[in-house]
Amino acid sequence: KAGVTQTPRYLIKTRGQQVTLSCSPISGHRSVSWYQQTPGQGLQFLFEYFSETQRNKGNFPGRFSGRQFSNSRSEMNVSTLELGDSALYLCASSLAAGGGVNTEAFFGQGTRLTVV
Amino acid sequence: AQKVTQAQTEISVVEKEDVTLDCVYETRDTTYYLFWYKQPPSGELVFLIRRNSFDEQNEISGRYSWNFQKSTSSFNFTITASQVVDSAVYFCALSDLSAGNKLTFGGGTRVLVKP
Repeated sequence: KAGVTQTPRYLIKTRGQQVTLSCSPISGHRSVSWYQQTPGQGLQFLFEYFSETQRNKGNFPGRFSGRQFSNSRSEMNVSTLELGDSALYLCASSLAAGGGVNTEAFFGQGTRLTVV
Repeated sequence: AQKVTQAQTEISVVEKEDVTLDCVYETRDTTYYLFWYKQPPSGELVFLIRRNSFDEQNEISGRYSWNFQKSTSSFNFTITASQVVDSAVYFCALSDLSAGNKLTFGGGTRVLVKP
């Protein structure tokens, strides 16, 4: 079956702009999580959505937001972009909400965002 | 608070050598899950293994093996007879019941296998 699809793969934006990234999870998976990967901070959890509800949120400013649609596809939005937002943004899909045996997460190839 | 430490930032080996990646974790929960992921240059994280805190059996999958020791809070990963295709960054991660699907990652270990 198809894996996790993230679009676009690459993006260049200017400081102050906003950006929306998209993630389509594996068919049947209802949980989507987002991570930011930078050379300095490594992989950091942004947030998790399950059944259109945000279940968990990492330690990021309010400029970072997300949502999930009824078909489980998710988007994340970053407003007022800063140079430090340049990163690889990875989306992960899981079969169910966490805490149980279905915590296996499958990742997409990511969206590489460059802010200039 | 959860924490995962991968002390080795980079390991370089010659093809066919064995390589062991260390992972030490911290959590207050008694129920938790440990993971290893591989990140090739293409960027996606490839799932390798998941263990729960109640299963300390070591596991072997082909050239990969994992050693889970709760007494030392370690979950080490060994690649036997390494190949050039094993060159990648490997991440250890932790998830506990209170964190749901949130994964806390270590800093990663870059493995370079030279022919």
